[in-house]
Amino acid sequence: AQTVTQSQPEMSVQEAETVTLSCTYDTSESDYYLFWYKQPPSRQMILVIRQEAYKQQNATENRFSVNFQKAAKSFSLKISDSQLGDAAMYFCAYRSGNFGNEKLTFGTGTRLTIIP
Amino acid sequence: GAVVSQHPSRVICKSGTSVKIECRSLDFQATTMFWYRQFPKQSLMLMATSNEGSKATYEQGVEKDKFLINHASLTLSTLTVTSAHPEDSSFYICSVGGRTTDTQYFGPGTRLTVL
Repeated sequence: AQTVTQSQPEMSVQEAETVTLSCTYDTSESDYYLFWYKQPPSRQMILVIRQEAYKQQNATENRFSVNFQKAAKSFSLKISDSQLGDAAMYFCAYRSGNFGNEKLTFGTGTRLTIIP
Repeated sequence: GAVVSQHPSRVICKSGTSVKIECRSLDFQATTMFWYRQFPKQSLMLMATSNEGSKATYEQGVEKDKFLINHASLTLSTLTVTSAHPEDSSFYICSVGGRTTDTQYFGPGTRLTVL
């Protein structure tokens, strides 16, 4: 079974600074997707960024980017120019296969605090 | 992405009663729906996966007779918590997916409190 590990229960960053959240995973599969989801106080899960395992290029979405190290099974999220609205729980997730009908395995989450 | 709604957003019930939570995919034909449970300050735990027109597949440790899931159409799935007890109090989240998407879309969640 696949496992996802987030070793940082809490992180904090000054507004406008950069922060990196860590995620490692364990799998024997070759086709999979990795995701970062954000859960603000409203508890609505919001997709931040996704990465296909077969793509070597790291995904980016505006201020959010990932460092995907397939051999090391590492998938970290970098948030640049942190904003107050970035304060939330961040979950790393793994999914087998290529389609949205496969289940997600979540890490335990990292609570990100933004310091004004 | 797909818009997913859940109803009710909050529900309080007495111990021993049953509660039904609806999950609707408003603009996407959801061939697959997922139900998660989230305790305070914890991660999402998958309870079951349901495919339209089929019986749900439950994760290990989830009582299928207690958490009844129905996915009768491409836009609606229901989770019924039968004979609810205080330990069933939690935040329940649904998500939708399919073979035409590469991700899941989440509903806003339902907070269940059993007195």
